[in-house]
Amino acid sequence: GNSVTQMEGPVTLSEEAFLTINCTYTATGYPSLFWYVQYPGEGLQLLLKATKADDKGSNKGFEATYRKETTSFHLEKGSVQVSDSAVYFCALSPTIQGAQKLVFGQGTRLTINP
Amino acid sequence: DGGITQSPKYLFRKEGQNVTLSCEQNLNHDAMYWYRQDPGQGLRLIYYSQIVNDFQKGDIAEGYSVSREKKESFPLTVTSAQKNPTAFYLCASRTGLAAAETQYFGPGTRLLVL
Repeated sequence: GNSVTQMEGPVTLSEEAFLTINCTYTATGYPSLFWYVQYPGEGLQLLLKATKADDKGSNKGFEATYRKETTSFHLEKGSVQVSDSAVYFCALSPTIQGAQKLVFGQGTRLTINP
Repeated sequence: DGGITQSPKYLFRKEGQNVTLSCEQNLNHDAMYWYRQDPGQGLRLIYYSQIVNDFQKGDIAEGYSVSREKKESFPLTVTSAQKNPTAFYLCASRTGLAAAETQYFGPGTRLLVL
């Protein structure tokens, strides 16, 4: 079946540090991959996505590359800010048309200290 | 502005009571979803609907019911059969069938049991 595994949190960093949040997946075919961010008390917002192998999604200084060979979609940012503190979810959408169900990882809580 | 609205923001349920959470979207999306999020956990799919007058059970449908009488609306009823309803409930929608389509989320409703 389809599944997503994220690195366990919480993750605590200092401002301007380099961030990596690992995400690996199991899926048949060629799923689309997503990173969502959730700020306290809010819904999820799309951060970035990639729809085929070797695609790089990027937004607000965050990047993730779709690696088919390692079934990974790690989230990176070169210099984090306090405002990046949130919970980050990796998700996949299977390639079977009509399935339409996202499969989420368990989320990684990130705290950035000034 | 296009988007997804959920109401109320907070909802209190008494023992044995059914309560209904509202979800409305003006994005002209065909597919709509309900997720449950428990503290420190990922998202679990309750129900989803790909088209008006049709819906499917997700992974944790027991104790919940939905209807889809209009394209814009997908209300969720938490019945008295749901013994542990305290959670954050998120509604989402998506425009089409392709795996690459982004799922958009509402701001959520927090349900608490009195």
